[in-house]
Amino acid sequence: NAGVTQTPKFQVLKTGQSMTLQCAQDMNHEYMSWYRQDPGMGLRLIHYSVGAGITDQGEVPNGYNVSRSTTEDFPLRLLSAAPSQTSVYFCASSYVGQQETQYFGPGTRLLVL
Amino acid sequence: RKEVEQDPGPFNVPEGATVAFNCTYSNSASQSFFWYRQDCRKEPKLLMSVYSSGNEDGRFTAQLNRASQYISLLIRDSKLSDSATYLCVVNTLATGNQFYFGTGTSLTVIP
Repeated sequence: NAGVTQTPKFQVLKTGQSMTLQCAQDMNHEYMSWYRQDPGMGLRLIHYSVGAGITDQGEVPNGYNVSRSTTEDFPLRLLSAAPSQTSVYFCASSYVGQQETQYFGPGTRLLVL
Repeated sequence: RKEVEQDPGPFNVPEGATVAFNCTYSNSASQSFFWYRQDCRKEPKLLMSVYSSGNEDGRFTAQLNRASQYISLLIRDSKLSDSATYLCVVNTLATGNQFYFGTGTSLTVIP
C-alpha cells in the first residue's frame, strides 16, 4: 500500500493564481481531510469528507474548494491564491469509528508571492 | 476557546530524564484520544492511542482523565531520538468525525 500520497511536494504561486493540490489514498478509508499547518497555530482543518459525494467545511474553509468523486481521491482547490495561504498542507485519511486514527500524507509546501 | 490546548514548551531535557506533557480538551462528547509525533518538516505520525484505563508502550505512558478532560503523556528514560513535537489529538464522532489538534509541545533531548 502506498498509504496517503500528495502532489506536488512544493509549489510557488503568484497572487491570484489557482491550483489544485492532489491527495489520494489506497486504504479504502471513508474519511479524508485537508489541514494547513502554520507556525504557532497547529493543524487547522480546512475541509473534510466522510465518503464519496459528501464534503463539509472545517475551521478555515474560505478560499478553498474540495470535491470527493471517488473514495480514493480528495483534491483541494485554491481558487485565487493569496499570500495568507502560504502554508504546509497535509491530507489525511481514516476509517470512521472510535479510536480509528488518521494517516497523513507527506505534505505540500506552498508559497504564494 | 480552543478545542485542544497544550503547553507549547519547549522542553529541553537531558538524556535519561523523565518528561511529562499535558493536554486539555473542551468538548465532553469527545470519544477518542491520541498522541502524535511530528518530526521537523515531516507529517504527523501516530505515537499511541489513549484509553480510559491508561496505556503503556515501552517508555511511553498515556493517561486520560475524562472527568477533568485531561490527557497526559509520560516519556521515561528519554533518548536523543525522542526529540520532536508531540501533538495531542481529540476525535469527536458527534461533530462529523472531526479530529482536533493541539498546537504541539516541542521536546529536545540533550546529550
